[in-house]
Amino acid sequence: SQQGEEDPQALSIQEGENATMNCSYKTSINNLQWYRQNSGRGLVHLILIRSNEREKHSGRLRVTLDTSKKSSSLLITASRAADTASYFCAPGSNTGKLIFGQGTTLQVKP
Amino acid sequence: NAGVTQTPKFQVLKTGQSMTLQCAQDMNHNSMYWYRQDPGMGLRLIYYSASEGTTDKGEVPNGYNVSRLNKREFSLRLESAAPSQTSVYFCASSEQVQVNEKLFFGSGTQLSVL
Repeated sequence: SQQGEEDPQALSIQEGENATMNCSYKTSINNLQWYRQNSGRGLVHLILIRSNEREKHSGRLRVTLDTSKKSSSLLITASRAADTASYFCAPGSNTGKLIFGQGTTLQVKP
Repeated sequence: NAGVTQTPKFQVLKTGQSMTLQCAQDMNHNSMYWYRQDPGMGLRLIYYSASEGTTDKGEVPNGYNVSRLNKREFSLRLESAAPSQTSVYFCASSEQVQVNEKLFFGSGTQLSVL
């Protein structure tokens, strides 16, 4: 199993701005998932992008995947204070187990 | 549906005590997982169960045992708690482990070992 590494570790923006966070991984994947964790809560699945997809949208979320660079990015457009949370990527490989990195902590200031 | 339910939500133990964290899911999922989360360390996989009757080690299994009691329930046991096991523990489930299905998480158990 492999772990995704999120970058930056922390991000602070104003409400209404866009937030971009990145994920890098080391070996081949079947898919890559992004999760959100609000303070003191369990992780919540946001979006899954398969290895043969390059971009995927869900509401204000846009995820890209570049398998040649072994990287993914999560873009949150028109951020809101409620988007304040930690965001984790999880590369999915043939082992099936998901290993999470340290995440990106996003603070959206009102 | 309740999803994934963990009990207890909070627990304080003394070093050397034992306890079992309980987890149950009502989504008819085949696979279940236990993670621990420490500040600055992200989530680390302790054990997982691909299907009823099977369990496998994750990244940090030492000091823990698990039981997949039935399809719904997956428990984590600390036989002799140590301060290093102070952490927040999350249980999760998914339809299948082999095809990287999305995980559904419980709300966590905050454990302190004094």
